[in-house]
Amino acid sequence: AAGVIQSPRHLIKEKRETATLKCYPIPRHDTVYWYQQGPGQDPQFLISFYEKMQSDKGSIPDRFSAQQFSDYHSELNMSSLELGDSALYFCASSSFGLAGPEAQYFGPGTRLLVL
Amino acid sequence: RKEVEQDPGPFNVPEGATVAFNCTYSNSASQSFFWYRQDCRKEPKLLMSVYSSGNEDGRFTAQLNRASQYISLLIRDSKLSDSATYLCAVRNTGGFKTIFGAGTRLFVKA
Repeated sequence: AAGVIQSPRHLIKEKRETATLKCYPIPRHDTVYWYQQGPGQDPQFLISFYEKMQSDKGSIPDRFSAQQFSDYHSELNMSSLELGDSALYFCASSSFGLAGPEAQYFGPGTRLLVL
Repeated sequence: RKEVEQDPGPFNVPEGATVAFNCTYSNSASQSFFWYRQDCRKEPKLLMSVYSSGNEDGRFTAQLNRASQYISLLIRDSKLSDSATYLCAVRNTGGFKTIFGAGTRLFVKA
């Protein structure tokens, strides 16, 4: 079965540079979520989109922005990168059922290293 | 206090053992509950959603106790391949934001 696709899988940037991470949800999933996971930490919710609109917001820094496009893929834009932004960035997708968002399925993640 | 808390672990068990993990949540408005497993440097993989009536999938059983605000995961007949970090996740009513616990590390030994 098709899974969530993320690109790139690995990214190395320098401080103050920008980065764009991409996420392609499972077909027919209309909800996308972004998470940041530092070493030894649990995934921290950043932001989510449902039907191309921001649906919820977590601990996303002001330097980051994201959007969901008409084909439901999403991009996370990160500017003025800091050393502390080095982490695994996961995208997850879900469908939306009668009781709200269904279970989330995660992509393989993008490993970002800021030097 | 964290919104979602898990047993600290690690749990070291022999093959064939039964092991149980608990996860407590503080927000009574929490609506949806999930267990994920995560292998080192990999993405969390959905193990099971947790329903009010409890649910079972092979060797795995999940329970929800709304009164005491916790969910549990029971693994029977542990296999070496069950070694991983188990994360519980909670989503509140009407929201999309999902809070993960810090995870419980399980080591199954031969």
